Amino acid sequence: EIVMTQSPATLSVSPGERATLSCRASQSVSSNLAWYQQKPGQAPRLLIYGASTRATGIPARFSGSGSGTEFTLTISSLQSEDFAVYSCQQYNIWPRTFGQGTKVEIK
Amino acid sequence: EVQLLESGGGLVQPGGSLRVSCAASGFTFSSYAMSWVRQAPGKGLEWVSTIGGSSIYYADFVKGRFTISRNNFKSMLYLQMNSLRAEDTAVYYCARGAGDTFDIWGQGTMVIVSS
Repeated sequence: EIVMTQSPATLSVSPGERATLSCRASQSVSSNLAWYQQKPGQAPRLLIYGASTRATGIPARFSGSGSGTEFTLTISSLQSEDFAVYSCQQYNIWPRTFGQGTKVEIK
Repeated sequence: EVQLLESGGGLVQPGGSLRVSCAASGFTFSSYAMSWVRQAPGKGLEWVSTIGGSSIYYADFVKGRFTISRNNFKSMLYLQMNSLRAEDTAVYYCARGAGDTFDIWGQGTMVIVSS
């Protein structure tokens, strides 16, 4: 099983600032990596797939990068609606596995 | 509008059984793999099971206890859960996909395993 490790656990950012979230895989997942956003009481929403491709309707301030074992999600200028938990997920092999999530909170 | 709507959650005793369901609409259900993903209170997301055209996959922690199935004519996805344990307590989400990503999610149904 591939273990996905996200850092930091919590990120405190002021609105308008840049946020950088990390996700590390215990072995290579190539570019088979997705990012999800989840707000309290809501279902997750797909943001990024293929490590760097934005899903339909996702604003350009969200960008993903990386391959192999190291990945980054960047939110270029945080808006109020972006404060949420972000999770990465690998789909290179079974079982599909998620990171434990990074909470982006208002500083 | 593409939509997934779960139902069937509730309170069940340890060792008991429960079936959760997911009604899909707005897309050609039979063309997609479908999955169950769960989230224990205050915890991260955890993949449970996926059913594709002819393939079924389970997480190790549910093998032999849970059974995923689908009815393409009714656009329905099911998860039969037997021998439930306290650690199975979670919100169970129905999600489209898992051949790669989960691109559409339902709102979830809560399953509580407690005496």
